[in-house]
Amino acid sequence: QKEVEQNSGPLSVPEGAIASLNCTYSDRGSQSFFWYRQYSGKSPELIMFIYSNGDKEDGRFTAQLNKASQYVSLLIRDSQPSDSATYLCAASDRGSTLGRLYFGRGTQLTVWP
Amino acid sequence: DTGVSQDPRHKITKRGQNVTFRCDPISEHNRLYWYRQTLGQGPEFLTYFQNEAQLEKSRLLSDRFSAERPKGSFSTLEIQRTEQGDSAMYLCASSLDLVAEAFFGQGTRLTVV
Repeated sequence: QKEVEQNSGPLSVPEGAIASLNCTYSDRGSQSFFWYRQYSGKSPELIMFIYSNGDKEDGRFTAQLNKASQYVSLLIRDSQPSDSATYLCAASDRGSTLGRLYFGRGTQLTVWP
Repeated sequence: DTGVSQDPRHKITKRGQNVTFRCDPISEHNRLYWYRQTLGQGPEFLTYFQNEAQLEKSRLLSDRFSAERPKGSFSTLEIQRTEQGDSAMYLCASSLDLVAEAFFGQGTRLTVV
């Protein structure tokens, strides 16, 4: 059973702080990892994906991947109230040819002004 | 093209009735996915297509569920003899083959009463 685990939270940070979201996965064959943001009642929206060990930065977001530890994280710098949402971590085992995604339950983030 | 389109957005049906949902992917996206999401959970994979070929089906997709993508463009998901446990958000996503990003539609929220 391929599983993706996330701390469901809620995680609460003040505006301007760094929010750190974590995810672990069970299948060592997983090759691609994705972070989606989902506002209440809306569909998931892709924020970032990462394939290689290390960090990948995109604006205020940094994804980190450690395949040896089977660990993925998402850092959100200068958090804004508009970042308040559920963040979903997902893994795929097909490399760049995207197959099914295995999602975690999501971490609910609240950024308070 | 404004993205993945799903219809209807909401559906209320009585237990035992059949329902059909439609998904129109982003133009030229040859991969199309169906997921189901219940409250507090991440999306669960149901099935996916590459063009008109259904490449993978989850065990979640019981014999009451059927999906088609007859011309490799839009797809339909039919649930026969609906049960209360089928109440969920049904999400469709599409992607280009060999490209990582899968984009989700707004979903169809099914309520079985």
